[in-house]
Amino acid sequence: NAGVTQTPKFRVLKTGQSMTLLCAQDMNHEYMYWYRQDPGMGLRLIHYSVGEGTTAKGEVPDGYNVSRLKKQNFLLGLESAAPSQTSVYFCASSLAGGTGANVLTFGAGSRLTVL
Amino acid sequence: AQKITQTQPGMFVQEKEAVTLDCTYDTSDQSYGLFWYKQPSSGEMIFLIYQGSYDEQNATEGRYSLNFQKARKSANLVISASQLGDSAMYFCAMRHGRGSTLGRLYFGRGTQLTVWP
Repeated sequence: NAGVTQTPKFRVLKTGQSMTLLCAQDMNHEYMYWYRQDPGMGLRLIHYSVGEGTTAKGEVPDGYNVSRLKKQNFLLGLESAAPSQTSVYFCASSLAGGTGANVLTFGAGSRLTVL
Repeated sequence: AQKITQTQPGMFVQEKEAVTLDCTYDTSDQSYGLFWYKQPSSGEMIFLIYQGSYDEQNATEGRYSLNFQKARKSANLVISASQLGDSAMYFCAMRHGRGSTLGRLYFGRGTQLTVWP
């Protein structure tokens, strides 16, 4: 009963370092999303994917890249981390259609600090 | 431009009382969906309730109901008989668009609800 699993849960980076956040879901969901949550800003969509091999930009895509090589995995990459990317990152997934498309299942979040 | 507006950064309610959390949205689409998520201090996001733009009746889920006023573009969450465990951040969100943009989901900035005994 894993749902959406994010790794790592915590990470501290130095400015300029790179890293990848991994999101895995075991619900056979078509859609996957990456959000960032900052105090007073709510959740903002970084990138999303509507299927294996496809990705699209959200509201705040700059400085991030994503890949969806397998349906169950959605990777978020930071090529050169900046302090402005200090945030809590949430991955989510949902079905593509029907009532289930309206419910996003979220991971537990990944707290990233860039020094 | 912000598509979801939650004008109440914080709300306080006494236990067992009802509370309304405000949400207004902006879209020119005819087909869209509105929902509410709860985020307790532990950090996880919990789905509460959904309302489709074509749904004629307001959605209800237990103590949660969504007061949907389409002409005013508002989707307020009503929590009846508040409990201490309802203390959390509440986010309003909207899904709209067609085809490949259907996956885009916009969140408001949230309302911090505190329930006191």
